[in-house]
Amino acid sequence: QSVLTQPPSASGTPGQRVTISCSGGSSNIGLNTVSWYQQLPGTAPKLLIYSNNQRPSGVPDRFSGSKSGSSASLAISGLRSEDEADYFCASWDDSLNGHWVFGGGTKVTVL
Amino acid sequence: QLQLQESGPGLVKPSETLSLTCSVSGASIDISHYYWGWIRQPPGKGPEWIGSINYTGRSYHSPSLKSRVTISSDTSKNQFSLRLSSVTAADTAIYYCAADVGGGDYMAVWGEGATVTVSS
Repeated sequence: QSVLTQPPSASGTPGQRVTISCSGGSSNIGLNTVSWYQQLPGTAPKLLIYSNNQRPSGVPDRFSGSKSGSSASLAISGLRSEDEADYFCASWDDSLNGHWVFGGGTKVTVL
Repeated sequence: QLQLQESGPGLVKPSETLSLTCSVSGASIDISHYYWGWIRQPPGKGPEWIGSINYTGRSYHSPSLKSRVTISSDTSKNQFSLRLSSVTAADTAIYYCAADVGGGDYMAVWGEGATVTVSS
């Protein structure tokens, strides 16, 4: 069972906005930044958002991240068929000498 | 451009030791900007951090795997390695190496992954 909690699935039609939540605790998201990763079917994860809301170069501005307290969210606006993938969140956890924690992932389906 | 590539056996017998190596290109593993990490993803599940090693050679491990994990680096080959002892079927997963910025900020670049199956 993953430390960070995400809904297992989300869906939308092309052009819609989809939001994915990531719930953590006081030792991880509550203290540290959140990153988001996109995993297309059969491929390795790719960094999508870092430092809560920063996009690496090459990531479309349709993807945005936010954080409030011990929770974070990823929004995909103007949903496109190529956005169909698994998305998971991650954060550093300061407990137990420090370790990374991840969400279980959210499968986004474009209807 | 930073790239990582995992290599190692795809099949390991129960109770034996899993060994993987990550070859890094595009950056030297002995620079302070990156830590070098191992993450695994069991079929149909979310990722699990195994551990990381920094530019000084100091390693950090998952609390749940700590007793079985050894992470080391070879700066002459620009590689870092993972050894996971006493494996069981529960260790079957895709194993990724990744560049961990700042040792806890974010995983900037991932390797393509190595599928490891534990079976007799």
